[in-house]
Amino acid sequence: NAGVMQNPRHLVRRRGQEARLRCSPMKGHSHVYWYRQLPEEGLKFMVYLQKENIIDESGMPKERFSAEFPKEGPSILRIQQVVRGDSAAYFCASSPFRSDEKLFFGSGTQLSVL
Amino acid sequence: AQTVTQSQPEMSVQEAETVTLSCTYDTSESDYYLFWYKQPPSRQMILVIRQEAYKQQNATENRFSVNFQKAAKSFSLKISDSQLGDAAMYFCAYRGPVTGNQFYFGTGTSLTVIP
Repeated sequence: NAGVMQNPRHLVRRRGQEARLRCSPMKGHSHVYWYRQLPEEGLKFMVYLQKENIIDESGMPKERFSAEFPKEGPSILRIQQVVRGDSAAYFCASSPFRSDEKLFFGSGTQLSVL
Repeated sequence: AQTVTQSQPEMSVQEAETVTLSCTYDTSESDYYLFWYKQPPSRQMILVIRQEAYKQQNATENRFSVNFQKAAKSFSLKISDSQLGDAAMYFCAYRGPVTGNQFYFGTGTSLTVIP
C-alpha cells in the first residue's frame, strides 16, 4: 500500500509563472489536507478537501491559490503568478475519515521561485 | 486560536542517552489530540506518538514516551537509548474537535545525535 505520493519533489518557477503541485492520497483515503512549511517554521494549514468538495480553505490565501480534489485523479494545489514569497515546502496529507486523528503525510514538494 | 510552542530550536544527545524535547500549547478546548512528528532530511513527516487528552496515562511507543501535563498544557517527548537514526526535526502538533480540520504545529526542535 503506497503512502501519500506527491510530485514533483522539486519545482522551480520564475516569478509570474504557474505552479501545479500534485498529491495522490493513500489508497482508501478520501480526505486530503495541504500544508505549507516556510523555512525555520512549522507546517501551516492551507486547505482541507474531500472528493470534489472544498471543506475548509481558511488557511489559503484568497488570491492566486486554488485547490481541487476531483472524483478521479490526484488533488492539485495551483499557485498562479508565483512570487518569491511562495517559495516553501508544500505538504499533502490524507486520512480515511474526517474524524480520524491521524494524518499520513507525503514527502512534500519544494517550490523555489526565482 | 490554538498555539503550539517549542522553545528549544536545537538539542543534542549522546548516542544511547536520553533526551527530552519540550512542547507547550494553548487551548480552551477540553478534548483534543497531541502529536509528535519526526521530519528527517528526507522531509517525510513521520508520526512518532500521539496522546488523547482525555487519557491520563502517558502514551508510550517503544523508546519514545511522553509526559502529558494537561493542567500545565505541557506535552514533552522523551527519547530513551537515542540512536543515530533519531536525528531529525521534531514537531509537536495539536488537533482539537472544534478546529478538527487543522493541525497546529510548533516551530520544531532539531535533534542531533552524537556518536
